[in-house]
Amino acid sequence: AQTVTQSQPEMSVQEAETVTLSCTYDTSESDYYLFWYKQPPSRQMILVIRQEAYKQQNATENRFSVNFQKAAKSFSLKISDSQLGDAAMYFCAYTFDSATNKLIFGTGTLLAVQP
Amino acid sequence: KAGVTQTPRYLIKTRGQQVTLSCSPISGHRSVSWYQQTPGQGLQFLFEYFSETQRNKGNFPGRFSGRQFSNSRSEMNVSTLELGDSALYLCASRLTGGGYEQYFGPGTRLTVT
Repeated sequence: AQTVTQSQPEMSVQEAETVTLSCTYDTSESDYYLFWYKQPPSRQMILVIRQEAYKQQNATENRFSVNFQKAAKSFSLKISDSQLGDAAMYFCAYTFDSATNKLIFGTGTLLAVQP
Repeated sequence: KAGVTQTPRYLIKTRGQQVTLSCSPISGHRSVSWYQQTPGQGLQFLFEYFSETQRNKGNFPGRFSGRQFSNSRSEMNVSTLELGDSALYLCASRLTGGGYEQYFGPGTRLTVT
């Protein structure tokens, strides 16, 4: 069964510092997509970054980057130069089937940013 | 381009009643998915519609149903509400042929009393 595990329920980072959120997944598929979503207190789910499993290069979006280790089934998110607005719940998510949009989510990591 | 919209944003219902939630996807997106978010179960996939057809369904009882209209707008219905149905219901749309990313609406907060 496909599962997504986020082992850090809560994390804290100082403003302007760097933080890494962990995510591991379990799948027997060779082709799949991984995502990080951010859910601030407003509850709006916002796409942060995506990674295609067939791409070896790690995805980057401004201050957000991932460390994708396919063999280890690991997909961590690095936030550089943390800002107060980065405070939110972060969810790692996975999908593999082109015939469906079903996303499998982790349990989330609540990130606090200290001024 | 407008994002995914969901109505209503908040809803309070009584046990045994039924409820209908609405979702309008991003213009041009024909695929709509629904998710339930609760503190205990996290984010769970309910179902997905594409071109007015249900393509996939999560592990929820038959009280949960949905449909999609020709303009890609989608509704989900929950009949015979139970206290455990209290949750944030999120709708997401996706551009077919795109990169699999889904864009979420602000959600409908349903409280069952």
